Amino acid sequence: DADVTQTPRNRITKTGKRIMLECSQTKGHDRMYWYRQDPGLGLRLIYYSFDVKDINKGEISDGYSVSRQAQAKFSLSLESAIPNQTALYFCATSDQGQGRYEQYFGPGTRLTVT
Amino acid sequence: GIQVEQSPPDLILQEGANSTLRCNFSDSVNNLQWFHQNPWGQLINLFYIPSGTKQNGRLSATTVATERYSLLYISSSQTTDSGVYFCAVAFDRGSTLGRLYFGRGTQLTVWP
Repeated sequence: DADVTQTPRNRITKTGKRIMLECSQTKGHDRMYWYRQDPGLGLRLIYYSFDVKDINKGEISDGYSVSRQAQAKFSLSLESAIPNQTALYFCATSDQGQGRYEQYFGPGTRLTVT
Repeated sequence: GIQVEQSPPDLILQEGANSTLRCNFSDSVNNLQWFHQNPWGQLINLFYIPSGTKQNGRLSATTVATERYSLLYISSSQTTDSGVYFCAVAFDRGSTLGRLYFGRGTQLTVWP
């Protein structure tokens, strides 16, 4: 089984709809991240959470919100989806208790807003 | 400002050739990772290499942290090596601790 899972893997939605992307991890890591990738670009950070009570905005948080329901779960919501939020979304985790900052990525969610 | 620059942006090779991808970064880092994004969009961890040299089969990587660059070597390339290679770094500063910054990637195409 994959250590970092994302649901759904693909989603098509209409402008104005609310949508939630979910991420779960079995790695026991304390830190979780949401990134988006647009064609021809690298990933950019939307939100990150260092533990259940610590949530921080990334570079491009406008139009998004998150919820850290448990150490293992981190959800990303688009309150009112718009076409320029069409992108590939990745969740990632890391455990920095050992001073090692390596991040592990989920398989991605391909979101299309029409 | 924060910069992660990858070169070349595109690389086309014939199967069996060797290649070197480069990543330059603008500040001291506590994390540097190389990823391969396959045609299905999945990000595959290749190396966690904030400093030093590592090898994994036909791939190897070297990071010279003091000179702020990293190199990814692919030897005897195969068609399955095609895809986009990303370098990502986390800078050694309190306000950005743990956050990864990605370069724009190198698009590698290997022809049979």
